[in-house]
Amino acid sequence: EDQVTQSPEALRLQEGESSSLNCSYTVSGLRGLFWYRQDPGKGPEFLFTLYSAGEEKEKERLKATLTKKESFLHITAPKPEDSATYLCAVLSGGSYIPTFGRGTSLIVHP
Amino acid sequence: NAGVTQTPKFRVLKTGQSMTLLCAQDMNHEYMYWYRQDPGMGLRLIHYSVGEGTTAKGEVPDGYNVSRLKKQNFLLGLESAAPSQTSVYFCASTTGTVVQYFGPGTRLTVL
Repeated sequence: EDQVTQSPEALRLQEGESSSLNCSYTVSGLRGLFWYRQDPGKGPEFLFTLYSAGEEKEKERLKATLTKKESFLHITAPKPEDSATYLCAVLSGGSYIPTFGRGTSLIVHP
Repeated sequence: NAGVTQTPKFRVLKTGQSMTLLCAQDMNHEYMYWYRQDPGMGLRLIHYSVGEGTTAKGEVPDGYNVSRLKKQNFLLGLESAAPSQTSVYFCASTTGTVVQYFGPGTRLTVL
């Protein structure tokens, strides 16, 4: 059974204070690892897909990395508008049903 | 291109009432999903569909039924609503690229 654990559950940062969110996973044959951003009252919004260990993707202040056991979402010099819940999900084998983590709630104070 | 839309956005039901949530996508996606999201529980899959006319149970299907009569629409039904079904419901769709695109959600309260 695929499993995804995200840590921390909640993170408070000051504007400009860089940090990382963790997504640990166990999966039989990784087909893809996904990061989503979810704002309050809205649906998750796709950020990145990572397919193999060593891969990295960047978008503005966000950088996602992948190893064989975990993924990190690095946030560099965050701004208040980066405040959201960040969800991680994995897809294995020939499945079309991703397994989601419970998310990390990020609050960036001005 | 509206992406994934959900109707209604909010709904309040009394215990025992029925309702249907509508999900529509205009991206010609084969796969569609219904999730519920509760505080501390994350996203949980209710039912999903791998194509027009096909549906399958997810992690928490009890008390829900679904239909996919048209490729672009995926309906979620509650025959007899219970307070435990108070939640936020999200629909998602995807192609073979497996990235899921989510709708804006329906907030349902069952009294």
